[in-house]
Amino acid sequence: AQTVTQSQPEMSVQEAETVTLSCTYDTSESDYYLFWYKQPPSRQMILVIRQEAYKQQNATENRFSVNFQKAAKSFSLKISDSQLGDAAMYFCAYNTDKLIFGTGTRLQVFP
Amino acid sequence: DTEVTQTPKHLVMGMTNKKSLKCEQHMGHRAMYWYKQKAKKPPELMFVYSYEKLSINESVPSRFSPECPNSSLLNLHLHALQPEDSALYLCASSQKPGGLAGGTTGELFFGEGSRLTVL
Repeated sequence: AQTVTQSQPEMSVQEAETVTLSCTYDTSESDYYLFWYKQPPSRQMILVIRQEAYKQQNATENRFSVNFQKAAKSFSLKISDSQLGDAAMYFCAYNTDKLIFGTGTRLQVFP
Repeated sequence: DTEVTQTPKHLVMGMTNKKSLKCEQHMGHRAMYWYKQKAKKPPELMFVYSYEKLSINESVPSRFSPECPNSSLLNLHLHALQPEDSALYLCASSQKPGGLAGGTTGELFFGEGSRLTVL
């Protein structure tokens, strides 16, 4: 069965600094997609970044980038130049016929 | 239009009430989803509709009854709920069901959710 694990329930970072959120997953599939979703207090789940498993190049979206290690089944999210608006719950997710979420990491950003 | 719209945003109901949650998208997506989310927990899948037909029911109690009248609308009918059903209910849609197997990324677009309180 596919599982997604986020081992950091909470993380904190100072404004303008860099933080990395960890995610590991388990699957027997060779092709799949991985996602990081952000859920601020406003509640709406927003896609942060997407990674295609068959692409070796790590995805990047502005200040957000991933470190995708397929063999290790690891998919971490790096947030550079952290901003107050980055404070939220971050969920790692794996897609098969349905989206499987990790348990989430609450990110606090301090001025 | 890349929005998924959910109404109402907040709902308070008694255990004997009948109410409905509504979800609408106009992105031409053919898969729609209901998730239940408790505080500080990830969303839990309840139902998946593929091409307006129920394809996945994650063993949800019958007091929750989904309906997909057309490709743009998804309802969740609520009846005889329990206080433990209080949660945030999220609707989502995706281009096609099945993710990679369906030829898409499987990215889900979420609404803002309906906060349900059962008294």
